[in-house]
Amino acid sequence: GNSVTQMEGPVTLSEEAFLTINCTYTATGYPSLFWYVQYPGEGLQLLLKATKADDKGSNKGFEATYRKETTSFHLEKGSVQVSDSAVYFCAVQGGSEKLVFGKGTKLTVNP
Amino acid sequence: DTGVSQDPRHKITKRGQNVTFRCDPISEHNRLYWYRQTLGQGPEFLTYFQNEAQLEKSRLLSDRFSAERPKGSFSTLEIQRTEQGDSAMYLCASKKTSGETQYFGPGTRLLVL
Repeated sequence: GNSVTQMEGPVTLSEEAFLTINCTYTATGYPSLFWYVQYPGEGLQLLLKATKADDKGSNKGFEATYRKETTSFHLEKGSVQVSDSAVYFCAVQGGSEKLVFGKGTKLTVNP
Repeated sequence: DTGVSQDPRHKITKRGQNVTFRCDPISEHNRLYWYRQTLGQGPEFLTYFQNEAQLEKSRLLSDRFSAERPKGSFSTLEIQRTEQGDSAMYLCASKKTSGETQYFGPGTRLLVL
């Protein structure tokens, strides 16, 4: 079945630092890839997605590029803010309706 | 636009009791999904519906779990004879059949004592 390996956390950064959270996946065919974010006390929200190779998803300053050759979908942001503190989940969907999630990476941004 | 809603938000029960959770999807979303999330882990798929038909079930969904979506709108997830290992966040999501994105509700946090 499909699987996701996500960078273990927690990650602690200072405001305006550069963020990378690594995500690699295994899946058959042509899966879709997602990053979801979970803010404290809230549900999962879609952050960005990409549905085919070389697509770049972007939202709120975050970006991730679908790399089929390396089976990766790393999340990046050039300058993080305190309000970005949350848990980030990489997910893959392919061959069935179900989303398969990574374990999540907790990000804390200090002022 | 009303999002996915779940009720209750929190449930504390004693081992051996039955519990039922409700999910109301975004209107006009034909597909409805249930996931379970334990502490420190990502959500794990349990089951999904296309309208009222239950089309896929995970092996995580033991015989004590049953989900329904009788009229193709809201769904219920029942756990019979709860065990401490059932303590988790139960998440519901919905999507249009033609859509790419599953939209999640706030979840129901279950604690089994």
